[in-house]
Amino acid sequence: SQQGEEDPQALSIQEGENATMNCSYKTSINNLQWYRQNSGRGLVHLILIRSNEREKHSGRLRVTLDTSKKSSSLLITASRAADTASYFCATVARQGAQKLVFGQGTRLTINP
Amino acid sequence: SAVISQKPSRDICQRGTSLTIQCQVDSQVTMMFWYRQQPGQSLTLIATANQGSEATYESGFVIDKFPISRPNLTFSTLTVSNMSPEDSSIYLCSVEQGYSGNTIYFGEGSWLTVV
Repeated sequence: SQQGEEDPQALSIQEGENATMNCSYKTSINNLQWYRQNSGRGLVHLILIRSNEREKHSGRLRVTLDTSKKSSSLLITASRAADTASYFCATVARQGAQKLVFGQGTRLTINP
Repeated sequence: SAVISQKPSRDICQRGTSLTIQCQVDSQVTMMFWYRQQPGQSLTLIATANQGSEATYESGFVIDKFPISRPNLTFSTLTVSNMSPEDSSIYLCSVEQGYSGNTIYFGEGSWLTVV
């Protein structure tokens, strides 16, 4: 079952602005992973953050994790038109099978 | 990161037929997964493909409809049987690479349209 909730469902901003997407989940996790999906394509892995980590960076991406609130955020700084895509968070539970459970995703549009 | 190749990338299928999707990985992996993404939706796990044993299916998915093979550590197939228009989806293969810190990588997906 889907346990992740993402907001907003859709986000439209101007090129150069920062984009923030949020993800909430329900169970205790081992890790949380963020993915990007361009229309009709496969998923590109962006960042993995473990339950004992609070923040990770990769280039223009910054991910935070608050396990007490069961939430994560993805910040994309200085957005570009090429960042237009759907972004998904997915969690791996602390116990049980090593499998991803996805949120509903955020559709991000960067306007030139 | 793992390089994952899926075939076919896209197909149009007749109602009532079956189609087998292949997933090839460029390195040996323990865990392989099959996901479905219906139009405009998020991803749902169909099953975990185990090497040398039967696949483990998620609630709502059954072996008769989605038989899976996993003959070795680099290859798996998913068959979508007796297709109906409701099976029109992107089907994605994914793998976990333990040495990369449990990152799970995805193939490009197979986009099936059932008419």
